[in-house]
Amino acid sequence: GAGVSQSPSNKVTEKGKDVELRCDPISGHTALYWYRQRLGQGLEFLIYFQGNSAPDKSGLPSDRFSAERTGESVSTLTIQRTQQEDSAVYLCASSLVGQLNQPQHFGDGTRLSIL
Amino acid sequence: QQQVKQSPQSLIVQKGGISIINCAYENTAFDYFPWYQQFPGKGPALLIAIRPDVSEKKEGRFTISFNKSAKQFSLHIMDSQPGDSATYFCAAGLGSARQLTFGSGTQLTVLP
Repeated sequence: GAGVSQSPSNKVTEKGKDVELRCDPISGHTALYWYRQRLGQGLEFLIYFQGNSAPDKSGLPSDRFSAERTGESVSTLTIQRTQQEDSAVYLCASSLVGQLNQPQHFGDGTRLSIL
Repeated sequence: QQQVKQSPQSLIVQKGGISIINCAYENTAFDYFPWYQQFPGKGPALLIAIRPDVSEKKEGRFTISFNKSAKQFSLHIMDSQPGDSATYFCAAGLGSARQLTFGSGTQLTVLP
């Protein structure tokens, strides 16, 4: 289908390693969001991209977290020197434009486990 | 002030019953209130949303009730079905910030 695609679906890595998570948004969607969902909890906003504008990074929890997006295409979320508290599902969403009343379409997430 | 508090944490309802999930917020500047439905292993999907200039919105069996003065809003699922069993999240958004603040989720189980 033409939904939001995230890869990998699962990632297990050792503490201290770097990980890179990928998000392919729906074609034509200019806005892209990353969220973190810890077990049994709600979604925490991480970062927001809108077209070629500077991203809103206000939700990134530390300087170990970074994200990039080229134009209106693929985005990657990178976590450096992973810690056990980084274990969570990382969700990506895209919307037609960066307005709240435009539905955010979510991918199925990457389940990250830090040993 | 950015918190959204959701209750109950879990809910069990008989088929055909009414499921009610409540949320409360603090920031009076929030101007968009969506509800999301999430099945295990899947990303959340938008169910229904409301803006603060209306007190109720209904789509099929799903209704949002909004009480601006109390800073509360709720999701009502009428004639609940086993297929409605999922985790439901409320959220609140501030248009200028383009961010959503999510509640902690309610795990709904509808018994056949």
